[in-house]
Amino acid sequence: NAGVTQTPKFRILKIGQSMTLQCAQDMNHNYMYWYRQDPGMGLKLIYYSVGAGITDKGEVPNGYNVSRSTTEDFPLRLELAAPSQTSVYFCASSHLNTEMNTGELFFGEGSRLTVL
Amino acid sequence: SQELEQSPQSLIVQEGKNLTINCTSSKTLYGLYWYKQKYGEGLIFLMMLQKGGEEKSHEKITAKLDEKKQQSSLHITASQPSHAGIYLCGADHSGNTGKLIFGQGTTLQVKP
Repeated sequence: NAGVTQTPKFRILKIGQSMTLQCAQDMNHNYMYWYRQDPGMGLKLIYYSVGAGITDKGEVPNGYNVSRSTTEDFPLRLELAAPSQTSVYFCASSHLNTEMNTGELFFGEGSRLTVL
Repeated sequence: SQELEQSPQSLIVQEGKNLTINCTSSKTLYGLYWYKQKYGEGLIFLMMLQKGGEEKSHEKITAKLDEKKQQSSLHITASQPSHAGIYLCGADHSGNTGKLIFGQGTTLQVKP
């Protein structure tokens, strides 16, 4: 198993450009997440999904869009890049099961985005 | 305001010393997660707590969720340089909805 795979690892964008961060997991997890991490800060939830066809806003969704057409893939779209979106983006997945007391989040290695 | 507050924000300890990091929630915790992040790297899962009073250990790291389920503490015994990094607590406030948020992190340095 590859786990959670994010691409690209690094990207530089100009203000106003658009791009998609790809995220794929091969663990058949139902839950998937996108977080951003700014220097010296924790993780902020952008969007999450509890299954294919279902997405919901997190703490900081403005300027981003997501889709979940399959269980495996959860791409994050930036339509009009702004300097405030310079950050490290982490995708994660889990198979949350409160009865079994499991729910470890598996994280990708991160995508470092710079908007100039 | 933060729904999850970690304290302290940063910590410098001498190797061999014990330390505690706290994670306080403004809401009832249905699940509490502890992760460690090495600088510039991904996140490593440490443990998940769910039941009030629950305590788990991973090597020299112990975490406990208090009875009222609004605070968790992470305790490291006899700290080593390998314990250095950023410790993050994450929480499920809504009970199996999948929405997981994180605190701002605690940066730990261990001086040899």
